[in-house]
Amino acid sequence: GENVEQHPSTLSVQEGDSAVIKCTYSDSASNYFPWYKQELGKRPQLIIDIRSNVGEKKDQRIAVTLNKTAKHFSLHITETQPEDSAVYFCAAGSNAGGTSYGKLTFGQGTILTVHP
Amino acid sequence: DGGITQSPKYLFRKEGQNVTLSCEQNLNHDAMYWYRQDPGQGLRLIYYSQIVNDFQKGDIAEGYSVSREKKESFPLTVTSAQKNPTAFYLCASTTGSLMNTEAFFGQGTRLTVV
Repeated sequence: GENVEQHPSTLSVQEGDSAVIKCTYSDSASNYFPWYKQELGKRPQLIIDIRSNVGEKKDQRIAVTLNKTAKHFSLHITETQPEDSAVYFCAAGSNAGGTSYGKLTFGQGTILTVHP
Repeated sequence: DGGITQSPKYLFRKEGQNVTLSCEQNLNHDAMYWYRQDPGQGLRLIYYSQIVNDFQKGDIAEGYSVSREKKESFPLTVTSAQKNPTAFYLCASTTGSLMNTEAFFGQGTRLTVV
């Protein structure tokens, strides 16, 4: 099955700096790569996603890049703000065992702290 | 106000007891999922259901059971066979397959064995 590795597990930056979180995956058939943000005590929420036919996607201060050959994808946050502090999860979406149903395999999470 | 609701928020279980976590959605989503969240391990899939009266085991189904009698509801039972049930449980739903659509999560239930 799919295995997703996420690094680093914790990341501390100063306000205004950039933050980069990296993920690798094992299943070459995976073709959907979302990123979720979970603030303390709250539910995870989708912040950006990318599909395998695209190499990069941007949404204001957030961008995601995908390298299918190397099987890795990254989240980039520019001009970080204290409200960006949260746990970030990457995930890879693939078919579940040959069925038409798909499943998401999540990375271990990165605790991002942005210091004012 | 559309959404996905989990209850209770906190749940305490004695050794040997079965407990049931509730998950209800009014988003008219076909698919529903249960994840377990442990520190440093991300979210791991327990069970999922694509349609009513059908569900499939995820990666860590042992010690858990589910039912899907209604489209809106997907309760999870943590049985006494689950040896380490203390965790944060998240329910989610999607309009279609998890392969390419956003998952909407509930607020979670924190289960503690006492």
